Amino acid sequence: GQNIDQPTEMTATEGAIVQINCTYQTSGFNGLFWYQQHAGEAPTFLSYNVLDGLEEKGRFSSFLSRSKGYSYLLLKELQMKDSASYLCAVSPSSGTYKYIFGTGTRLKVLA
Amino acid sequence: GAGVSQTPSNKVTEKGKYVELRCDPISGHTALYWYRQSLGQGPEFLIYFQGTGAADDSGLPNDRFFAVRPEGSVSTLKIQRTERGDSAVYLCASSPNPSGNTIYFGEGSWLTVV
Repeated sequence: GQNIDQPTEMTATEGAIVQINCTYQTSGFNGLFWYQQHAGEAPTFLSYNVLDGLEEKGRFSSFLSRSKGYSYLLLKELQMKDSASYLCAVSPSSGTYKYIFGTGTRLKVLA
Repeated sequence: GAGVSQTPSNKVTEKGKYVELRCDPISGHTALYWYRQSLGQGPEFLIYFQGTGAADDSGLPNDRFFAVRPEGSVSTLKIQRTERGDSAVYLCASSPNPSGNTIYFGEGSWLTVV
């Protein structure tokens, strides 16, 4: 079967660092995506990993280990506006249209 | 347009009624996708169009759901005999081609069946 697991909720303090983990079991693998979704809004693209290692993009970094079926999203210097749901999604085959999404991690950033 | 546009943004309908949800993709994007997101869940794939044809409709839950894209641009998702379980956000997304690194979502159409 296809399965993606993420924690349901996390809380962190403004200015801190938070790591959101994602584990996956899928029939194939053609890349892992992280999306940010504010309440009532569209998911917006954050990062894409297809090879093992760390991809850094400003305050956000994403890591992938294909052998472990594991990824994390690292958010540094947290801001209040980072309060949102973070969705992990896997493309199980080439032609990346049929993403499998996790249920999302709701992050609350406290002052 | 600048982004994926979806209408209506909110729709409340009675059980048993017919509903149409419209998606206008980013200009020039050939690939278009419909996803459904229930409360507290991640989006679930419904159907994918490449041009005018439905390349993969394996995610449509049953034959009450149908989608078209007659001119390869705007798409309409049609739901017949709506049920309360159809209540969800229906997200449309597009990409320049199906092998791109990401897809771009619209803000969704919130459907509530009462």
